[in-house]
Amino acid sequence: DTEVTQTPKHLVMGMTNKKSLKCEQHMGHRAMYWYKQKAKKPPELMFVYSYEKLSINESVPSRFSPECPNSSLLNLHLHALQPEDSALYLCASSPYNELDTQYFGPGTRLTVL
Amino acid sequence: AQKITQTQPGMFVQEKEAVTLDCTYDTSDQSYGLFWYKQPSSGEMIFLIYQGSYDEQNATEGRYSLNFQKARKSANLVISASQLGDSAMYFCAMRGRYNFNKFYFGSGTKLNVKP
Repeated sequence: DTEVTQTPKHLVMGMTNKKSLKCEQHMGHRAMYWYKQKAKKPPELMFVYSYEKLSINESVPSRFSPECPNSSLLNLHLHALQPEDSALYLCASSPYNELDTQYFGPGTRLTVL
Repeated sequence: AQKITQTQPGMFVQEKEAVTLDCTYDTSDQSYGLFWYKQPSSGEMIFLIYQGSYDEQNATEGRYSLNFQKARKSANLVISASQLGDSAMYFCAMRGRYNFNKFYFGSGTKLNVKP
């Protein structure tokens, strides 16, 4: 099973709202990722968790707050977003070595009004 | 530093013909992986094929093959017998031993398959 699940599929929120994106995998992968993707562009790395610890933060604004409660779950908490944060948010997971691929979830399409 | 270059922003191919999508990379790592992903308009990134830096044989997965030329640092994707469902964005990516938590993506190629 190479499935990564993400909820919700679509999310519309106002600039003052607080919401969360959720991601789950049961492949035993110890690296989990959040990406932001704008139309016709490659995914842009936001955060990486390795063994449930934040290992990479690509200078993401603090209105995005990641959380890894356990080895299977990854959350992205959203607060006071801007319209330019509207994008596809992809979660991925991978084994912990350079010769393995990452597996992506279906993504959450976020619209900030 | 790692870098992936895809020089074809868009390509057209006739249904049932083969097509090659170009990818070149730059790395100082000796051990690395090269990956291709397909992204249809639905948004999901689908893993297609993988080539390890130490693999001597070109990888194949069904209609997909990876033309790996290590000396030229190229990892082109070949799709044989194109189908309408192959219309999508295609991304080449790599992951190296140094800082192996990061995947480096190319800018992508939009493939359109014509009936």
